[in-house]
Amino acid sequence: DVKVTQSSRYLVKRTGEKVFLECVQDMDHENMFWYRQDPGLGLRLIYFSYDVKMKEKGDIPEGYSVSREKKERFSLILESASTNQTSMYLCAIARALWGANVLTFGAGSRLTVL
Amino acid sequence: GQNIDQPTEMTATEGAIVQINCTYQTSGFNGLFWYQQHAGEAPTFLSYNVLDGLEEKGRFSSFLSRSKGYSYLLLKELQMKDSASYLCASSGRRDDKIIFGKGTRLHILP
Repeated sequence: DVKVTQSSRYLVKRTGEKVFLECVQDMDHENMFWYRQDPGLGLRLIYFSYDVKMKEKGDIPEGYSVSREKKERFSLILESASTNQTSMYLCAIARALWGANVLTFGAGSRLTVL
Repeated sequence: GQNIDQPTEMTATEGAIVQINCTYQTSGFNGLFWYQQHAGEAPTFLSYNVLDGLEEKGRFSSFLSRSKGYSYLLLKELQMKDSASYLCASSGRRDDKIIFGKGTRLHILP
């Protein structure tokens, strides 16, 4: 089974700090995604990547950037954290099943910005 | 653009049947997914429909009508462990972004 590992389960940062959220997969999957999940708003797509050095904006990319230097690692970067970025962040990889991209998620990183 | 709607909360009784509806509007359609998410955990894949009709998988079934932009997840013989959020998601053309609805929180009463 594919494994998606997010480096930190819980983080507490201060406003203005730079924050790195790391996601690593143990298979050779090309498509990787970053979502945030908030009560009442559901899962919202921030960025996704089809391959190394490739990235596409999702629905809410403002305030975020991403890095994909190696196929197995997809990083989400908050250049200057703000309190409205307090959220649960979920990384996912897509596996091709029956012609569709089925997502496998990491355990999530809960970020609190003070 | 893409828009997915599903009810916020539902309540059902252990042993009963419940149907969770989902309507979607997408530009280019490549399938409708259902995921289950228990509190404090990550979502896990339940089902996928790309053609019209019913897909059955044990106690869970998922239905799709592409012409109506409508899907439902049917859960039979409900168990307490089915208490969770159920997320409807849609995919555009292959390799396009995958968008989720806000999720339906299902409460199971004994």
